[in-house]
Amino acid sequence: AQSVTQLDSQVPVFEEAPVELRCNYSSSVSVYLFWYVQYPNQGLQLLLKYLSGSTLVKGINGFEAEFNKSQTSFHLRKPSVHISDTAEYFCAVLAQGGSEKLVFGKGTKLTVNP
Amino acid sequence: DTGVSQDPRHKITKRGQNVTFRCDPISEHNRLYWYRQTLGQGPEFLTYFQNEAQLEKSRLLSDRFSAERPKGSFSTLEIQRTEQGDSAMYLCASSPGTRRKGNYGYTFGSGTRLTVV
Repeated sequence: AQSVTQLDSQVPVFEEAPVELRCNYSSSVSVYLFWYVQYPNQGLQLLLKYLSGSTLVKGINGFEAEFNKSQTSFHLRKPSVHISDTAEYFCAVLAQGGSEKLVFGKGTKLTVNP
Repeated sequence: DTGVSQDPRHKITKRGQNVTFRCDPISEHNRLYWYRQTLGQGPEFLTYFQNEAQLEKSRLLSDRFSAERPKGSFSTLEIQRTEQGDSAMYLCASSPGTRRKGNYGYTFGSGTRLTVV
């Protein structure tokens, strides 16, 4: 079975500051990794994904994430945030070659203040 | 590509009533998923279809829940005898079936928010 831990439930930052949202996972098999963003009363939008290859992946809206297998982490970063980045961010894993079930963390609420 | 559509967006129902939600996936996607999201939590997997076949169900999907995808296109999720604990956002997602292309990453709809009073 897989599990995902998002270490911070809330992250407040000022506009134009850098931000890192932390994600650790646990799995007995290899996984694919995802970050999704959810704006209020909306569904989830895929920000980026790691399937294989380079451990640094770039996504939409200037976000990037780095896969660290030894630390079983997949932290999300952005060098300079905007007010419009205020949203809930979810890390998720999918077991390779097995279940179709995406397993999500509990989410991190990012609030960007002026 | 019109995205994944869910209907209704909001539903308020009295405890004990039955409700049905509809999901229309992206037309060329043959995989369809249902998730439930309660307040302050991440989405939890309920079930998934490949075409019309329901291939995986979560233990969260009690006997009061049933999902169908009769022609491999749209899907419905019915909850019978609703309980207050069923109040949640119900999310539908779809994805292409061709894993060989590494085409992972589901497209989610905007969800149906259910409130049981």
